[in-house]
Amino acid sequence: EIVLTQSPATLSLSPGERATLSCRASQSVSTYLAWYQQKPGQAPRLLIYDASNRATGIPARFSGSGSGTDFTLTISSLEPEDFAVYYCQQRSNWPQTFGQGTKVEIK
Amino acid sequence: EVQLVESGGGLVQPGGSLRLSCAASGFSFSSYSMNWVRQAPGKGLEWVSYITSSSSTISYADSVKGRFTISRDNAKNSLYLQMNSLRAEDTAVYYCARDFYTLGSYYSDYWGQGTLVTVSS
Repeated sequence: EIVLTQSPATLSLSPGERATLSCRASQSVSTYLAWYQQKPGQAPRLLIYDASNRATGIPARFSGSGSGTDFTLTISSLEPEDFAVYYCQQRSNWPQTFGQGTKVEIK
Repeated sequence: EVQLVESGGGLVQPGGSLRLSCAASGFSFSSYSMNWVRQAPGKGLEWVSYITSSSSTISYADSVKGRFTISRDNAKNSLYLQMNSLRAEDTAVYYCARDFYTLGSYYSDYWGQGTLVTVSS
């Protein structure tokens, strides 16, 4: 199965700062990669699919890039509601797999 | 409005069984593939099972294969997960999630609020 490794595990930033999250796949997933946001006690929320497409209703400050094995989620300017855990997911190969998550916390 | 509402979770002893349900509304349930995804307390997301719209294709994670059975009733707009031979490591919040199709793959765009399954004696 494809292993997704996210880094860093925790990102401590202040509101207004830029967040850059990384997801590396153990083998190529082409662009079949998604990013989800999860807040405590809530279900995951789809942010980005096909590596770079924003899901419906997702603000433009969220952007995704990458292909093959290296992917990035960028939040251009952190809003208070963006502090959460972010997961990447690949849908290239069975089984679908998730990264272990990156927590974006308030510095 | 798309809604997915899970139910059926609870406390069960090791070796026991539980059946989870996911009631769908606000969309044409019979047209979408569905997933179960779980999250152990304080841990990350783990995909559990997948079923296509017509139930023609079903798949399971190795960790639950032979113990869990996914099914759906399109007439009732419902998805199910029958869980047998439960183990402590199955303790988690179980989410149902709808898949949508893009050019080449599927992604889960709507998720339920989850139902907690606790396996303990």
